Amino acid sequence: DIVMTQSPDSLAMSLGERATINCKSSQSVLYSSNNKNYLAWYQQKPGQPPKLLIYWASARESGVPDRFSGSGSGTDFTLTISGLQAEDVAVYYCQQYYSNPLTFGGGTKVEIK
Amino acid sequence: QVQLVESGGGLVKPGGSLRLSCAASGFSFSDYYMSWIRQAPGKGLEWISYISSSGDTIYHADSVKGRFTISRDNAKNSLFLQMNSLRAEDTAVYYCATHPKGTYWGQGALVSVS
Repeated sequence: DIVMTQSPDSLAMSLGERATINCKSSQSVLYSSNNKNYLAWYQQKPGQPPKLLIYWASARESGVPDRFSGSGSGTDFTLTISGLQAEDVAVYYCQQYYSNPLTFGGGTKVEIK
Repeated sequence: QVQLVESGGGLVKPGGSLRLSCAASGFSFSDYYMSWIRQAPGKGLEWISYISSSGDTIYHADSVKGRFTISRDNAKNSLFLQMNSLRAEDTAVYYCATHPKGTYWGQGALVSVS
């Protein structure tokens, strides 16, 4: 199984600051035949299901604000929130869909300082 | 608009069974692979099962293999999860979602085993 490790477990930032969340996979999730990273990011607010933010490591889902961006390749990935807003308070998860079983990172809780 | 609505959750004793349903609308359900993903109280996300669009390919995580069975009825735009031999550690909110990219999710159904 591919193990997904997120860091930090939590972070508290001021409104308008940049928040960076890291995700490391235990093996590469880059599929060489199409040069795509099988990595997604989700946002989960209390009492709600997860919401897809980013897929293919850097493609923003329709309707997601452009302050959310994803980067990285192979085994190391980053979700950046540029200009943190109050409505961004949530837990963020990375997920690999390169191989079965699909696996998620442990989550990063983002709060406002 | 797109809707996934889970039902069938509840309180069950260890060793008991439950069948979850997920009713889909607003998108072409029969074109999508579908998954069940669960979240224990206060914990992270655990993917447990997927089924191909036609239903001919199924995969279960080791944690539920031999106890849970995923199935679908494309004519009724419905996804199912038969859960047998339930354990306390199966207590969670169970979500249905599109697979492998979770573009669409349901609101979840709570299963409590106690």
